[in-house]
Amino acid sequence: QITLKESGPTLVKPTQTLTLTCTFSGFSLNSDGVRVGWIRQPPGRALEWLALIFWNDEKRYNTFLNDRLTLSKDTSRNQVVLTMTNIGPVDTATYYCAHSDSATWYSFDYWGQGIPVTVSP
Amino acid sequence: IQMTQSPSSLSASVGDRVTITCRASHGISSYLAWYQQKPGKAPKLLIYGASTLQRGVPSRFSGSGSGTDYTLTISSLQTEDFATYYCQQFNSYPITFGQGTRLEIK
Repeated sequence: QITLKESGPTLVKPTQTLTLTCTFSGFSLNSDGVRVGWIRQPPGRALEWLALIFWNDEKRYNTFLNDRLTLSKDTSRNQVVLTMTNIGPVDTATYYCAHSDSATWYSFDYWGQGIPVTVSP
Repeated sequence: IQMTQSPSSLSASVGDRVTITCRASHGISSYLAWYQQKPGKAPKLLIYGASTLQRGVPSRFSGSGSGTDYTLTISSLQTEDFATYYCQQFNSYPITFGQGTRLEIK
């Protein structure tokens, strides 16, 4: 059974760095083809893909965030960490991590519950 | 690749047949998924590869399409289907979602 759960601060001040952790179970990020992605959703708006980390440590980022994102993984702890620098009010959103692999054509087949993050002074 | 969903909202009744369309700005080779999202919940994968039903999803949901044009069809709406639906392409980076279609009870 695959599960994922996001953790981190829910209130962040502008210009700070946001660090979110995705802790997962039921799969290994060492397995060929497995990926973990981050997606966010501002209040009342559509989903936005942020980043993806692969089993082989390859990473992909959405370029609209202008190099503000960094992904890392700790396979021994079954965790993926997303950092976002220079946070601003437009980054207020619910942040999700999700599992992806070749079995479902790399769609996001399992999602965490999401963590709401508010950026405010 | 920009994903354009239509309509952006839709009112329908239980038992209706509903179709939602997603158009990609470039061909995406069926690397398309559909998700259902209910308020306060994470999205749920319904269909991947444009037409393959995710296990556990009712057969009243179906997907079709190729190239740039894709559709999600719900053959007979049930109460639990009233939600927002998103398409997503995986053919190239950045991965992109449609803007969503809100399906409401008439």
